[in-house]
Amino acid sequence: LAKTTQPISMDSYEGQEVNITCSHNNIATNDYITWYQQFPSQGPRFIIQGYKTKVTNEVASLFIPADRKSSTLSLPRVSLSDTAVYYCLVGDRIGWQKVTFGTGTKLQVIP
Amino acid sequence: GAGVSQTPSNKVTEKGKYVELRCDPISGHTALYWYRQSLGQGPEFLIYFQGTGAADDSGLPNDRFFAVRPEGSVSTLKIQRTERGDSAVYLCASSLTPSDTQYFGPGTRLTVL
Repeated sequence: LAKTTQPISMDSYEGQEVNITCSHNNIATNDYITWYQQFPSQGPRFIIQGYKTKVTNEVASLFIPADRKSSTLSLPRVSLSDTAVYYCLVGDRIGWQKVTFGTGTKLQVIP
Repeated sequence: GAGVSQTPSNKVTEKGKYVELRCDPISGHTALYWYRQSLGQGPEFLIYFQGTGAADDSGLPNDRFFAVRPEGSVSTLKIQRTERGDSAVYLCASSLTPSDTQYFGPGTRLTVL
């Protein structure tokens, strides 16, 4: 299983773009990168998933460089409601693989 | 459609007691997972079901923990002789297949006094 490293915490003002980078130096060829968001007293919620280059949905963008050893989750114009813990996961989409969450990045959005 | 539901939302019990936590997955999802989350930590894998069978139970901490999914839908996590260290939020997730995105329930907060 590829291990991931991400900052423990980040602060941002409302309206700013936030970029959270995750390192996964040992990512395997078949591995995808997935980000989850978790609010207090709730289960994690899927945000976005990608394999290479750039993926964008209505919530976020995911940037993955050519070597795939890192990835960056980009949240445009954050609001107070984006305050949450963000988890980066790496895993093979072919069949079952135990998911390891790590401690995530606690994002605090400041008014 | 409805998401993953878990009951109860909160459970307080005394040390040594037996507890059961229930998970209702998204309809049609064949894979079901249990996780445990302690304060300030990410979810920790406990067990994974494919259909009715436990395909991977390597995350269960000891033999006091057991889970079933008899009809391939609802699952129950059972904890015997609870200890204070079992206090945590127990999360359930389901996915259409094992390689698909996991959708999580709100969790059951277990407090062992």
